[in-house]
Amino acid sequence: DAGVTQSPTHLIKTRGQQVTLRCSPKSGHDTVSWYQQALGQGPQFIFQYYEEEERQRGNFPDRFSGHQFPNYSSELNVNALLLGDSALYLCASTQDRAGWGGYTFGSGTRLTVV
Amino acid sequence: DQQVKQNSPSLSVQEGRISILNCDYTNSMFDYFLWYKKYPAEGPTFLISISSIKDKNEDGRFTVFLNKSAKHLSLHIVPSQPGDSAVYFCAASGSNFGNEKLTFGTGTRLTIIP
Repeated sequence: DAGVTQSPTHLIKTRGQQVTLRCSPKSGHDTVSWYQQALGQGPQFIFQYYEEEERQRGNFPDRFSGHQFPNYSSELNVNALLLGDSALYLCASTQDRAGWGGYTFGSGTRLTVV
Repeated sequence: DQQVKQNSPSLSVQEGRISILNCDYTNSMFDYFLWYKKYPAEGPTFLISISSIKDKNEDGRFTVFLNKSAKHLSLHIVPSQPGDSAVYFCAASGSNFGNEKLTFGTGTRLTIIP
């Protein structure tokens, strides 16, 4: 049973460009959250998607946007990349109201902005 | 504003001994606390959790203690094994069971010395 799948695993982009990261949730999961983990920091919540809508949002600018598709997969888009956007981006999925311990994280996408 | 703090960036413990990882929080609205373990190139994996109505939760070699008045929790691993070497993140959330964002600490790198 595949867990959470993220693609690509690594990415190098130039400042000012746009990037799209992808996430396929674990089978049976319908809720997807995105987190940014900067070097030496803990993951920080970006937003959560459920039923194809953004349900919650963290303290991130509008340059960060997302989407959830009918098959529950999700995309994270970042526009006008800044050097400070370099980080590991983690996707976590769960089944709505599954309870604590129900989050499954992917291995992440390492984004480097040069 | 770091609402969840792990003040020890690293910890080394002899194999077979007890490992104690600490976490402090500032937000009184947090109701659930979780510990995640992260190996390099992998996503965080859920380890153990505790609700604010409890002061202790055990799962095999892992025990989490919660002191609400001190806004402090700790993870005890007994006995410590080489496979426990990883980065441990403390995380906290509100009471919307399983649907809320997780607020993470900055992590503690645990090294078990054989």
